Amino acid sequence: NAGVTQTPKFQVLKTGQSMTLQCAQDMNHEYMSWYRQDPGMGLRLIHYSVGAGITDQGEVPNGYNVSRSTTEDFPLRLLSAAPSQTSVYFCASNAGQATSDEQYFGPGTRLTVT
Amino acid sequence: GDSVTQMEGPVTLSEEAFLTINCTYTATGYPSLFWYVQYPGEGLQLLLKATKADDKGSNKGFEATYRKETTSFHLEKGSVQVSDSAVYFCALSEPSTNAGKSTFGDGTTLTVKP
Repeated sequence: NAGVTQTPKFQVLKTGQSMTLQCAQDMNHEYMSWYRQDPGMGLRLIHYSVGAGITDQGEVPNGYNVSRSTTEDFPLRLLSAAPSQTSVYFCASNAGQATSDEQYFGPGTRLTVT
Repeated sequence: GDSVTQMEGPVTLSEEAFLTINCTYTATGYPSLFWYVQYPGEGLQLLLKATKADDKGSNKGFEATYRKETTSFHLEKGSVQVSDSAVYFCALSEPSTNAGKSTFGDGTTLTVKP
């Protein structure tokens, strides 16, 4: 049981490049989310999904796209990278209301945009 | 909307000192409350939780009590160890409305010196 996995662990992009951050979970959780972590700003929600085929925007969605074709996978796409997107990105999943919404986090992707 | 305010850091303590990290929240309904811990280079992991008023969450010597009257969930430990050095996040979720999302405080960095 791997929990929540993320790849890559580190990435450096040039401004304007695009890329996809991968996230997968093997706990059959319906709910998945992407957060970014910046110094002094806690975690901010980018996008979330309540099930396969359903996604919605969080607090800071601009510049990011997501899709949820399967329960297991929830990739985050950066369309045209900007230095403001330099951050640590965390994917999380949870089983929903029955378990009081405890989040299970992946190890993170540290992204630098130059 | 929901919000979480936690004690600003960083906090530096000597080993075996008493720890308190304050956390207060604003929520429209009846949230579940959490403390997560993040060790260097890792993702967040659940430390403890409480799902209703007057519940006490506890784990690894840490405790926090859900106080509805003061909208607080302060984290305490009687005797900290060097291995407790980490970033601590207070968080809430509202299971009935939040579709698996959580709201996080900004995090408090704890350093424990031998």
